[in-house]
Amino acid sequence: DAKTTQPPSMDCAEGRAANLPCNHSTISGNEYVYWYRQIHSQGPQYIIHGLKNNETNEMASLIITEDRKSSTLILPHATLRDTAVYYCIVRIDINEKLTFGTGTRLTIIP
Amino acid sequence: DTEVTQTPKHLVMGMTNKKSLKCEQHMGHRAMYWYKQKAKKPPELMFVYSYEKLSINESVPSRFSPECPNSSLLNLHLHALQPEDSALYLCASSRETGLSYGYTFGSGTRLTVV
Repeated sequence: DAKTTQPPSMDCAEGRAANLPCNHSTISGNEYVYWYRQIHSQGPQYIIHGLKNNETNEMASLIITEDRKSSTLILPHATLRDTAVYYCIVRIDINEKLTFGTGTRLTIIP
Repeated sequence: DTEVTQTPKHLVMGMTNKKSLKCEQHMGHRAMYWYKQKAKKPPELMFVYSYEKLSINESVPSRFSPECPNSSLLNLHLHALQPEDSALYLCASSRETGLSYGYTFGSGTRLTVV
């Protein structure tokens, strides 16, 4: 799997958009980008995934650059409940694995 | 039902004990997974089951023994564990193992080995 780089921590004011960056400069053409988050003492929660195009669902938007070397997860209106560790993961099918990196600890400030 | 249910939520066991962790889902998912998470670390994959057959064992010590008796149930049998095996054990499932499917995780079993 391609390696991802995320900032270890970020703060965001409540009600503002939280933009979480992820670098995956060695990503190959058939690797997907996944985002999960883990709220303290809970299991990870799937947020969104994409291959080339930008994606949006009820939780977040995923913006993937045209060269696919980086992506941004956007939480449009952050709430205190969005405080969590956010993991960016790239994955190919051949090994069937979902491998977590160290993630970004996002803190929403009241 | 859109949940993965893990029992028990907490478990304390001695190094000579035998215990089992249980994971159940009723979403019709055909892939199930065990992860181990130490404090302040990301989850680490242990086992992958696909259509009730073990497809990946990440070189996990034999004191951890997985079992998938049917498509809804995944067990992790524990025997002769060490204190360093204390961790949060997470179960997950997905529709299949392919790329298009996100994983649904349970809340985990917090295991303490004394």
